[in-house]
Amino acid sequence: KAGVTQTPRYLIKTRGQQVTLSCSPISGHRSVSWYQQTPGQGLQFLFEYFSETQRNKGNFPGRFSGRQFSNSRSEMNVSTLELGDSALYLCASSQQPSSYEQYFGPGTRLTVT
Amino acid sequence: QQQVKQSPQSLIVQKGGIPIINCAYENTAFDYFPWYQQFPGKGPALLIAIRPDVSEKKEGRFTISFNKSAKQFSLHIMDSQPGDSATYFCAASRGGGYNKLIFGAGTRLAVHP
Repeated sequence: KAGVTQTPRYLIKTRGQQVTLSCSPISGHRSVSWYQQTPGQGLQFLFEYFSETQRNKGNFPGRFSGRQFSNSRSEMNVSTLELGDSALYLCASSQQPSSYEQYFGPGTRLTVT
Repeated sequence: QQQVKQSPQSLIVQKGGIPIINCAYENTAFDYFPWYQQFPGKGPALLIAIRPDVSEKKEGRFTISFNKSAKQFSLHIMDSQPGDSATYFCAASRGGGYNKLIFGAGTRLAVHP
């Protein structure tokens, strides 16, 4: 079974721009969560989606948003990029919200200049 | 109450040694405690996980010890190999359909030949 896939793997953007990252969960998994990983703050939860609905949200500004499609694929968007948004953005999937195991993709490395 | 504290920050052992990584939590609502292994350029990979109703769990060379009263858990790697050199993260989450993982800061492990 294929793992979680994320596209693109690398991205360079300029301050003020916006960016959209994509995540395809493991086949059969319906819950998708997003995390931000930085050297200073570590791994931090952004939000979780299930059945096209956001179920949980972390402590991030409204510039960070996401959505989930009917096929469980998910996208996250960051508007008005700031230098501090440079990070590895990780997507994790699980079968459903009540399933504890989460499996991570390789991440998208976003660099904001 | 949402924090998970992980120590040490880095660890160096010789091949065959038994590195031990410790984590402590405050929120007694947490009921799932996974460990993830991350290699450079990769996403975190689920290694092993434990629920509070057991005090120890073994999978291959990896063992989790759990002390519910002390609110602490630890990862032991038996017969460590150079290929185990990676960053290890402990995490915690609570049930009720909440998939939000709270991560420790990570431990960078180096196993020397």
